Amino acid sequence: GAGVSQTPSNKVTEKGKYVELRCDPISGHTALYWYRQSLGQGPEFLIYFQGTGAADDSGLPNDRFFAVRPEGSVSTLKIQRTERGDSAVYLCASSLGRGRYQETQYFGPGTRLLVL
Amino acid sequence: AQSVTQLDSQVPVFEEAPVELRCNYSSSVSVYLFWYVQYPNQGLQLLLKYLSGSTLVESINGFEAEFNKSQTSFHLRKPSVHISDTAEYFCAVSETMKTSYDKVIFGPGTSLSVIP
Repeated sequence: GAGVSQTPSNKVTEKGKYVELRCDPISGHTALYWYRQSLGQGPEFLIYFQGTGAADDSGLPNDRFFAVRPEGSVSTLKIQRTERGDSAVYLCASSLGRGRYQETQYFGPGTRLLVL
Repeated sequence: AQSVTQLDSQVPVFEEAPVELRCNYSSSVSVYLFWYVQYPNQGLQLLLKYLSGSTLVESINGFEAEFNKSQTSFHLRKPSVHISDTAEYFCAVSETMKTSYDKVIFGPGTSLSVIP
């Protein structure tokens, strides 16, 4: 299986706790995206990485959310002082990152986060 | 700013009947258009996309969508559905920027249920 993988598949935490969500993109893909999908809604863009750098983090809702991709492959989405409103499915996607036209984004299965 | 409207949140249809899932978008510039599908317990997958050229685009499993610029629509159709088409369908849009990255805006999704 050479698809995008995400761990954990489910995460239950308490309000105020810190969580980390991991994404392993398809090998060779330099572009990586994080989305958040709330119940009954479509995915909402959070952040885009090209290589190691965050090229667009305009979708991060506030400074409690942070993401890193130190070696240009695996990425970690970090949420501090979690709130009940953070409960959602967090999706990761990757694409080649080299094309001149809109590239196909390949999505992982998501991490379902529940904040109690 | 772009936005996507999917008027039908749920569409039940009998097996072998035709189906149309509606999508309308709003944008002040040229756009790329997409349909993604999410099968139960699976990640999002690209179903088809319109970038340029022919306004009618097709998927490998019998779906088609037509870009109508005057009506700002990108409706998805299939002449005869199968049980296996039961899934959540998301329409999405991004502005044309001639780069490999465009922020993709998703609609709220339409749940297609195929009844035996």
